[in-house]
Amino acid sequence: RKEVEQDPGPFNVPEGATVAFNCTYSNSASQSFFWYRQDCRKEPKLLMSVYSSGNEDGRFTAQLNRASQYISLLIRDSKLSDSATYLCVVNIGNEKLTFGTGTRLTIIP
Amino acid sequence: DTEVTQTPKHLVMGMTNKKSLKCEQHMGHRAMYWYKQKAKKPPELMFVYSYEKLSINESVPSRFSPECPNSSLLNLHLHALQPEDSALYLCASSQVASGVPGGELFFGEGSRLTVL
Repeated sequence: RKEVEQDPGPFNVPEGATVAFNCTYSNSASQSFFWYRQDCRKEPKLLMSVYSSGNEDGRFTAQLNRASQYISLLIRDSKLSDSATYLCVVNIGNEKLTFGTGTRLTIIP
Repeated sequence: DTEVTQTPKHLVMGMTNKKSLKCEQHMGHRAMYWYKQKAKKPPELMFVYSYEKLSINESVPSRFSPECPNSSLLNLHLHALQPEDSALYLCASSQVASGVPGGELFFGEGSRLTVL
């Protein structure tokens, strides 16, 4: 099993729709979880950290399920500007953050 | 705009050249990282410096040599690279070691390296 796994997509979603991604991780001791977005030929940028109780930032909601070892990202009322690759990032040991393969999202007008 | 600055943005080098990539941050972060990213792949960790000491080397070939002159600077010295080393090299920093909550990574724009 890979340390961090994501469905690579692509997800092609109409504008205004709701879309959700999951990311599974193998190390039950992992403590830090993040979602990054990466636009084509750009650097990854932090979208949001994921907290145990779940957290929301505008149209974005992140959840953590420790029992099943996955995190999720929900995007509501999707915009064209949400088109990007979404990277799940998990610490698998001190100082070591591992990236999932990324999920490619395209929002269709 | 990113607060992690990388230079150069683009670099083309031959297999016998010696070059360096540079990274600078002024956020007071105490951990700095080099990642390598190939097209359509996620970033792969290469090195981690924590409090200016090398704490992780992900079995990177010795033709890549990192250096951390101080807490704000991180270099990656390149020598005798191979064409397959062509990639985007990303520098990142974090406030504390990334295994601890609050250790979000902040990336520079990257140095796009082509080895001929």
